[in-house]
Amino acid sequence: DTAVSQTPKYLVTQMGNDKSIKCEQNLGHDTMYWYKQDSKKFLKIMFSYNNKELIINETVPNRFSPKSPDKAHLNLHINSLELGDSAVYFCASRLGATQYFGPGTRLTVL
Amino acid sequence: KNQVEQSPQSLIILEGKNCTLQCNYTVSPFSNLRWYKQDTGRGPVSLTIMTFSENTKSNGRYTATLDADTKQSSLHITASQLSDSASYICVVSGPRDNAGNMLTFGGGTRLMVKP
Repeated sequence: DTAVSQTPKYLVTQMGNDKSIKCEQNLGHDTMYWYKQDSKKFLKIMFSYNNKELIINETVPNRFSPKSPDKAHLNLHINSLELGDSAVYFCASRLGATQYFGPGTRLTVL
Repeated sequence: KNQVEQSPQSLIILEGKNCTLQCNYTVSPFSNLRWYKQDTGRGPVSLTIMTFSENTKSNGRYTATLDADTKQSSLHITASQLSDSASYICVVSGPRDNAGNMLTFGGGTRLMVKP
């Protein structure tokens, strides 16, 4: 039983394209996150979201936008992809102090 | 500036040996400290969570220690197994900053256990 799932696992696309990464959690958690892990393996939070509040890391370009159709889903939409967007993107959900991460989506922008 | 520094960056040990990973942080005020294990190609998985009042916490062969006075934590792995090969990430939770971020992540220690 997958707790936090992401699709696709790999995404290769051209510069300038628009793409989406989907995330679903079946844990019933209220809070979900998107993280970016760069080549140096540092994890940086991009968004945190629950059914009441969206908190955006102001360093994230507005080309990135989270979309939540319901409490179990938080999708990440990226417009006008750039080379520097290449990274692994992780979705996570939280219960108490523990975050549960998805398997990651490796995005490669050519 | 809140920072979490981990050492060493990478470590190679033989199967069955013990090892200790270090984490120093400057996050203040401090809420809790977590150690995560991240296997290659997977998301991080929580190993331990400690608040400022806890000095040590174990999870099987993993034992984390915390010294809130010196702002240091360590993760000790006993009798290492090949499956311990992974990145170990130290994460410190502090006050929410202007970007809404409460977590400061270390860069991780890449552990390789060889037979």
